[in-house]
Amino acid sequence: QSVLTQPPSVSGAPGQRVTISCTGSSSDIGAGYDVQWYQQLPGTAPKLLVYGNNNRPSGVPERFSASKSGTSASLAIAGLQAEDEADYYCQSYHSTLSGSGVLFGGGTRVTVL
Amino acid sequence: QVQLQESGPGLVKPSETLSLTCDVFGYSISSGYYWGWIRQSPGKGLELIGNIYYSGTTYYNLSLKSRVTISLDTSRNQFSLKLTSVTAADTAVYYCARAYSSGLETYYDYWGQGTLVTVSS
Repeated sequence: QSVLTQPPSVSGAPGQRVTISCTGSSSDIGAGYDVQWYQQLPGTAPKLLVYGNNNRPSGVPERFSASKSGTSASLAIAGLQAEDEADYYCQSYHSTLSGSGVLFGGGTRVTVL
Repeated sequence: QVQLQESGPGLVKPSETLSLTCDVFGYSISSGYYWGWIRQSPGKGLELIGNIYYSGTTYYNLSLKSRVTISLDTSRNQFSLKLTSVTAADTAVYYCARAYSSGLETYYDYWGQGTLVTVSS
């Protein structure tokens, strides 16, 4: 199964803005499929952070924002806080995979310095 | 509030069958949505095992398809995973989740807490 490409890690000081990229292909993100983002705090299950490219579920702070362009997407965290230290995964869909085409990125560890 | 809870043996012997159940609370699985199993090997990323639509249609990860069966039990409001001929590579935290899918949009909005399954003799 193909994997969406994310940087293994990003870091920033409290209050800074960090971005996480998610690179796909013309058969997934580039084919128009929406991108989602999940936050996984240490020892917990993933939590839906963004759906439909740039929509936040109820309760997700506005400092989390996302965008999509071409074959890539990105998640931005503004005003980084200690509680944001977690793993973040992007997720989309691959059009040519028979069966289930759900794809996850490899994950990005965000460290608050 | 929708809640999901995985259950099953935490230790499975190599070559045997891994069996897990996901109990769903707060929503009837026969009413809609897809219901999926996702796993995470130690220190690794997320891997979809497969989804089942509320109608019973299944969709499996091609790399696992020959060993996987996902089924619904609407009378108990639960769905299950069976993975045959397991090896150490199947050691992972297994999550069940609810999936919304429409058009170009597919995402998992509710997740169980996960259950660690270790394959070892």
